[in-house]
Amino acid sequence: ETGVTQSPTHLIKTRGQQVTLRCSSQSGHNTVSWYQQALGQGPQFIFQYYREEENGRGNFPPRFSGLQFPNYSSELNVNALELDDSALYLCASSSAGTSQETQYFGPGTRLLVL
Amino acid sequence: QQQVKQSPQSLIVQKGGISIINCAYENTAFDYFPWYQQFPGKGPALLIAIRPDVSEKKEGRFTISFNKSAKQFSLHIMDSQPGDSATYFCAASDFNKFYFGSGTKLNVKP
Repeated sequence: ETGVTQSPTHLIKTRGQQVTLRCSSQSGHNTVSWYQQALGQGPQFIFQYYREEENGRGNFPPRFSGLQFPNYSSELNVNALELDDSALYLCASSSAGTSQETQYFGPGTRLLVL
Repeated sequence: QQQVKQSPQSLIVQKGGISIINCAYENTAFDYFPWYQQFPGKGPALLIAIRPDVSEKKEGRFTISFNKSAKQFSLHIMDSQPGDSATYFCAASDFNKFYFGSGTKLNVKP
């Protein structure tokens, strides 16, 4: 069984640029959730994708957008990067469209915005 | 507004001792309360979870105590070991959204 993988592991961007982060869900999982974890803080829910549709969203502006593909892998896109977007971005996969199914987290992508 | 408040921010416990981490919430719509363990450079991993119709759940050395009327829940780690040294997060969810606490960094001294 393959776990959740994310790419890239680290990324440096400048303010105003755009970034795409990728996540491959665990085998058999059809749901992917994305989180932002600032240094020393808990993860903040960005949004969830279930069967290629957005299935819930946290308090993040529209410049945070996502996609889920037919193989259930997912992308997180962030436009017009701001310094405060510097964080660890985590994705988590699960087997149903509710959070009450166990979520398995990937190792994250650490984004630094200069 | 922080949906889930967690304390303490850090905790030092001697090997063999009991580690206790507390969380409180306001939203009565929350119906699932998991605890996660995170090691440096890794994503969080589910430790144990509870639903509000149960007051206590035990799995090995880990126990969740849940007080629905007080809207509080806590994690107890019995016989704490140096390998338990990590950051612990409580969380609460309503359907498809998770809200995490700010984390507790646990250091178990040998």
